[in-house]
Order: sequence, then structure tokens, then C-alpha cells
Amino acid sequence: GAVVSQHPSRVICKSGTSVKIECRSLDFQATTMFWYRQFPKQSLMLMATSNEGSKATYEQGVEKDKFLINHASLTLSTLTVTSAHPEDSSFYICSARDLAGASDEQYFGPGTRLTVT
Amino acid sequence: DQQVKQNSPSLSVQEGRISILNCDYTNSMFDYFLWYKKYPAEGPTFLISISSIKDKNEDGRFTVFLNKSAKHLSLHIVPSQPGDSAVYFCAASSGAGSYQLTFGKGTKLSVIP
Repeated sequence: GAVVSQHPSRVICKSGTSVKIECRSLDFQATTMFWYRQFPKQSLMLMATSNEGSKATYEQGVEKDKFLINHASLTLSTLTVTSAHPEDSSFYICSARDLAGASDEQYFGPGTRLTVT
Repeated sequence: DQQVKQNSPSLSVQEGRISILNCDYTNSMFDYFLWYKKYPAEGPTFLISISSIKDKNEDGRFTVFLNKSAKHLSLHIVPSQPGDSAVYFCAASSGAGSYQLTFGKGTKLSVIP
């Protein structure tokens, strides 16, 4: 099946610093990638839709200047958490839709655990 | 306002018996539904999906039933196995070309050997 990777899997950073998370589709091309955030015992909340070659579309309530998304190629999207605060600590998951796919199936990355101290 | 609801946060089932996970939705524009399985600290894994034009889809031990009039779907796992223990998320999407998923909060399934 299609594989999506995320790097890093875990990151600890200090308040005020920025952290970049990478999401890669390893064996397929994805014009669209999605970034989700999950708090403990909560559902996955869609943060933004990342489109290759264009600006990301952010969900209501998500600060686009804080969560910078870049989708520079058909296999890579990055999420940068700028000026991180402890409340940004969460589990961030990306997903990608196979360009050649016929359904709404998305392939998820393994997630990145961000801890801001 | 939660558009996809999984009202049971947890479920325990004996090995070999049937597991039934339920999901309700409120948005009538949803036309495609998916179930994902998730282990702690991992991303969700796709299990099975169903289009709104169907009322049942089966794949091995997993069957998803959709009742559009009730805006309700369920995932049946039979027979349940200890390896099925995980959190199961129901997700929905709407409209051609829209691949954004709206997730429920998940149900933690524990299959007891």
C-alpha cells in the first residue's frame, strides 16, 4: 500500500522557537496533503489542506501565520510551528491523497509528537 | 458542533464475538464514510469505506453498514481478535473533489482473550 512518512517522529523544543515537520509520500504523488492535530482522547482535527504549488487552505480558528505550510513538490509538504508555545504541544499527523486514486482514501503518516517546554 | 459523533468512548468484547462500533453524523452533505484504526502514537490506518449509494460494504472480517435515513453507520468486526484492540475512528467527507475528512472522537476497542 501507499506509504507516507513524517519526520521527526518526536520533537521537544523550547517556547519561542520554531519547529518544522516534514510529510512525504514515498511511493506515490500527492497534489493534496492534509495536516491534522490530535489532542489526547480527542478526534483528529483538520488544520489545513496543503496544495502543491499554491497556498494552503486553513480551517477556521487555525492561525496561518503560526502554522506555516509549504507544499513544494508532489511528494513533500512541511508544517512549521512558529514561536511555539506549550499549548502547541500535540500530536500532528499528515495525510496524502494518491493522485492516481479514485476514492477519498487518504494515507496517513505515523504522526509527530511535539512537546513545547 | 460535532458533525461526526462516536458516542461510545470505549467497548470491550470477548475474543471470537462480534464487535459493533457505531457512528452518527449530522451533515446531510456527507456522501463518503471511512473507518480508520489507530494505535497509540501512530497515524490512522484505513480499514474500510462506504459510499452513500450503498448500504453495506464487506471486506473480510470487517463490514460497514450505512443507514442514510438515520444518518448512522456501524462497523462490524467478526470474529473479533485481540489484535483488533485499538481506537477506531469514523470519518466522513462530502462533495466530489473534496477530500477533507471530518473525524469522530473515536472508540477504544478492547478485545479480551
